[in-house]
Amino acid sequence: GQQLNQSPQSMFIQEGEDVSMNCTSSSIFNTWLWYKQDPGEGPVLLIALYKAGELTSNGRLTAQFGITRKDSFLNISASIPSDVGIYFCAGQRYGGSQGNLIFGKGTKLSVKP
Amino acid sequence: DAGITQSPRHKVTETGTPVTLRCHQTENHRYMYWYRQDPGHGLRLIHYSYGVKDTDKGEVSDGYSVSRSKTEDFLLTLESATSSQTSVYFCAITVDRAMFGYTFGSGTRLTVV
Repeated sequence: GQQLNQSPQSMFIQEGEDVSMNCTSSSIFNTWLWYKQDPGEGPVLLIALYKAGELTSNGRLTAQFGITRKDSFLNISASIPSDVGIYFCAGQRYGGSQGNLIFGKGTKLSVKP
Repeated sequence: DAGITQSPRHKVTETGTPVTLRCHQTENHRYMYWYRQDPGHGLRLIHYSYGVKDTDKGEVSDGYSVSRSKTEDFLLTLESATSSQTSVYFCAITVDRAMFGYTFGSGTRLTVV
């Protein structure tokens, strides 16, 4: 099946640092979404992107829909402890079963020891 | 909250027994999904529904069946549970696949012993 390659798999953050993660695919998507999952909970939508080249912010989070429609990135500026969790990218193509979201494997953010 | 609840939240069952997980929504959304989440695999689609009595298979549907007799309820059944089905199961809903991301429930942690 289709795959989204999300990187990095994990990273450690120190409060105040900026964080970047990205997602790539061999297929074109019409929509890119970014989710965050806290322990013991379901993923929660952070940002949705609907057009190639679109750059959208949600507070300290900024995400972009790649021009080729095959990639997206998420930046978190000035990280804080509550940013810890797992971040998932998801891509969507329109029509039939292809209209269902496909998820990356996640980027786990942890606090530096 | 989006009005989506999963039950039970936790379950331990024996190999070979049937198990049914329930997803209930109060949003009247057309689309409902069942995902499983495993370390290293992210979220993988099991089955989905696009209306009452309308369901289709996802990426990892073997060993699972679903039913949707009412808009608000989507049931996932493991016909004969195996240890490989130990996982966290998430239900998700959306009103329009093209325009909105999914809203997830809090998950059911299933352990098959």
